[in-house]
Amino acid sequence: QVTLKESGPGILQPSQTLSLTCTFSGFSLSTYGMGVGWIRQPSGKGLEWLANIWWDDDKYYNPSLKNRLTISKDTSNNQAFLKITNVDTADTATYYCARIAYGLRRGDYWGQGVMVTVSS
Amino acid sequence: DVVMTQTPVSLPVSLGGQASISCRSSQSLVHSNGNTYLHWYLQKPGQSPQLLIYRVSNRFSGVPDRFSGSGSGTDFTLKISRVEPEDLGDYYCLQSTHFPWTFGGGTKLELK
Repeated sequence: QVTLKESGPGILQPSQTLSLTCTFSGFSLSTYGMGVGWIRQPSGKGLEWLANIWWDDDKYYNPSLKNRLTISKDTSNNQAFLKITNVDTADTATYYCARIAYGLRRGDYWGQGVMVTVSS
Repeated sequence: DVVMTQTPVSLPVSLGGQASISCRSSQSLVHSNGNTYLHWYLQKPGQSPQLLIYRVSNRFSGVPDRFSGSGSGTDFTLKISRVEPEDLGDYYCLQSTHFPWTFGGGTKLELK
């Protein structure tokens, strides 16, 4: 059974760095073809794909936020991480992580999401 | 970026009826490997998106056969037959052929 769960700070101030953790089970990021993606959704709005990390440590970033994003993984502890630097109110959203398979390029299992508010 | 245009934005349906959602892309979604990476998700109120259809027409595990996907190139359709209460929510298409991966704006399926 594949499960993912996001965790984060809840609230932070503009210009701070947002650190998110995705803790998963039922698959391994050391397995060929496996990956984790991060997606966000402002309240009442649509979805935006942010970044992917793959089993071989290859990474992909959405160019619209590329300079502010860092994705990483801890294979031993079944975790993936996303950092967003210099946040502002536009980064207020629910953040999801999802399992992705390299060949299928789809997010098949998603976490429940973590809400992040940027406010002074 | 590939722009994904979903129509309609809102779709009132009757239970037991049929629904059709369109997703059009600003460029072809055929990858250089020949595959087309167009997927459909349903987001029920208060929940995370759940995968329904992957690569145009393949139902994900556990998805009832009331859901079907079709299309090619730049024009794709999700059909739902015999709509049930648990089908209500927001539907999104996702293209993962081109970076950055992009979603459609969403279609809200609601009761008439």
